[in-house]
Amino acid sequence: DGGITQSPKYLFRKEGQNVTLSCEQNLNHDAMYWYRQDPGQGLRLIYYSQIVNDFQKGDIAEGYSVSREKKESFPLTVTSAQKNPTAFYLCASSMRTGHRVNEKLFFGSGTQLSVL
Amino acid sequence: DAKTTQPPSMDCAEGRAANLPCNHSTISGNEYVYWYRQIHSQGPQYIIHGLKNNETNEMASLIITEDRKSSTLILPHATLRDTAVYYCIVRVALGGSEKLVFGKGTKLTVNP
Repeated sequence: DGGITQSPKYLFRKEGQNVTLSCEQNLNHDAMYWYRQDPGQGLRLIYYSQIVNDFQKGDIAEGYSVSREKKESFPLTVTSAQKNPTAFYLCASSMRTGHRVNEKLFFGSGTQLSVL
Repeated sequence: DAKTTQPPSMDCAEGRAANLPCNHSTISGNEYVYWYRQIHSQGPQYIIHGLKNNETNEMASLIITEDRKSSTLILPHATLRDTAVYYCIVRVALGGSEKLVFGKGTKLTVNP
């Protein structure tokens, strides 16, 4: 059963702590994305990766880091530099068509991060 | 920097058609319009996409104006389970890269 899996569903962070959100997909998609969603707001792009070992900053990358060592995995680390990390985090993936990324995104079910 | 404009909220009676508008006046000639919806606390779900012809699938219909500056998503017989936030998105070119920009969407409430 193909899909995109995020874990954990809920995560709590202490002051000064780094936390890592997991995102795994078995859809054989080249591109993967991380979005942040605050209550009542749209999705804002944090980082995206169009191919293994390459990733680009989105609109709100400060305080976050990512890696793309495997095609299937795109973990997001929320560092202590992110002063307002409480939000709903969504991971997505999509196919590439030639040099372009397909807009048909497949989303995970999200991780709610809260600060203790 | 969303390139689409949608009303923040709409209401619809159960069983009636829900028509959700979207303005995308700066869309490029070869860019598709995509629609997603997000039910509370879940990831967005793809609904439909189109370029310039009207499109229909099992979930919805998409009507795109001839000048492509706006579109309407139609849910022909809305049910309570269609209550969600609906996003209309287009691709945005940014310094050699491209990305998809999600605005705040339209919160559709289907009432019994």
